[in-house]
Amino acid sequence: AQSVTQLDSQVPVFEEAPVELRCNYSSSVSVYLFWYVQYPNQGLQLLLKYLSGSTLVKGINGFEAEFNKSQTSFHLRKPSVHISDTAEYFCAVTLSGSARQLTFGSGTQLTVLP
Amino acid sequence: DAGVIQSPRHEVTEMGQEVTLRCKPISGHNSLFWYRQTMMRGLELLIYFNNNVPIDDSGMPEDRFSAKMPNASFSTLKIQPSEPRDSAVYFCASSFYQYEAFFGQGTRLTVV
Repeated sequence: AQSVTQLDSQVPVFEEAPVELRCNYSSSVSVYLFWYVQYPNQGLQLLLKYLSGSTLVKGINGFEAEFNKSQTSFHLRKPSVHISDTAEYFCAVTLSGSARQLTFGSGTQLTVLP
Repeated sequence: DAGVIQSPRHEVTEMGQEVTLRCKPISGHNSLFWYRQTMMRGLELLIYFNNNVPIDDSGMPEDRFSAKMPNASFSTLKIQPSEPRDSAVYFCASSFYQYEAFFGQGTRLTVV
């Protein structure tokens, strides 16, 4: 079975600073990887996904992530954050192929400070 | 498309009562998932359906929980009888094969 580890439960950062949210996964077979964002009292919204191809994936709101198979990582980055990026971010993995469930990490609360 | 629609958005009920949560997936999606979110346990998959058939219900906490998907456009999650420890936000999500899951706004359940 696959699993996901988000190493940081909380990440405070000042506005306009860069940020990296870390995600490592464990799986013995090929996987698809996702980052979701959850704003307060909202559902989860997809930021970006890696299915195949280029290991650098660009998503919405200026976020990007890089798939590193050798390190089994899929870290999320943004070069300059805004107050509006304050939210909880979840990394998720599913086995590649036909539909099956997403396994989520425990989440990282990003707080952007003025 | 209006996205995944869940109802109700909020539910407050007394311990021992039956609770039914409803979900309308995105049209054309063939997989549906029920998740529960709590501070202590994060996001947990309860059950998922593929083409209306339950594939994995190993996450359902106990027999008090049941889920059905009578057709491609509707699913329910029922808790009977409800207990205070069932208080959580319940999310429904749908997807088309292995592509990303789209989440509803969630139902915040409070059992008093």
